[in-house]
Amino acid sequence: AQSVTQLDSQVPVFEEAPVELRCNYSSSVSVYLFWYVQYPNQGLQLLLKYLSGSTLVKGINGFEAEFNKSQTSFHLRKPSVHISDTAEYFCAVSGSNDYKLSFGAGTTVTVRA
Amino acid sequence: GAGVSQSPSNKVTEKGKDVELRCDPISGHTALYWYRQSLGQGLEFLIYFQGNSAPDKSGLPSDRFSAERTGGSVSTLTIQRTQQEDSAVYLCASSASGTSGIDEQFFGPGTRLTVL
Repeated sequence: AQSVTQLDSQVPVFEEAPVELRCNYSSSVSVYLFWYVQYPNQGLQLLLKYLSGSTLVKGINGFEAEFNKSQTSFHLRKPSVHISDTAEYFCAVSGSNDYKLSFGAGTTVTVRA
Repeated sequence: GAGVSQSPSNKVTEKGKDVELRCDPISGHTALYWYRQSLGQGLEFLIYFQGNSAPDKSGLPSDRFSAERTGGSVSTLTIQRTQQEDSAVYLCASSASGTSGIDEQFFGPGTRLTVL
């Protein structure tokens, strides 16, 4: 079974500053990793995913994440945030034989001017 | 095309009543999932349908919860004798095939259930 730990529950950040959201996973098999964003009162939207290949994954809205197998991490980064990036971010994992997504607890990002 | 839709968007009910939550997946998607998002529990998998296969009900928290999917499309999640701990946002997702973890799941906006 897979599990996900998001190390920060709240991340306040100023507009145009960089942000990093940390995610660690545990699994004994090959995994697929995802970051989802949830804007206020909306459903989940996929930001990016790692399936295989290059460990640096680029997603929508200027986000990127790096898969690090040795550290079992998949941290999300953005070099310069906007007010509109204020949202909750979820890291999730699934496996080659497991279609279910296991989610982390979420990280709330609040961007201030 | 249309995304995943859910209804109602909000539901307030009294403890002990039954509720039905509806999900319309993306047309052509064979896999459908229900998740629950609640304070303190995060996002939890509830149930999964894939084509005509028997559903995976391993995430349902009690026998008060059930779900069906008619004609391989619309799904209804039913909660009987609701309890206050059932209060949560219920999210539905669909994916093209659902046979592997590679498939992207597309989420609906959710139904916010409040049990008084």
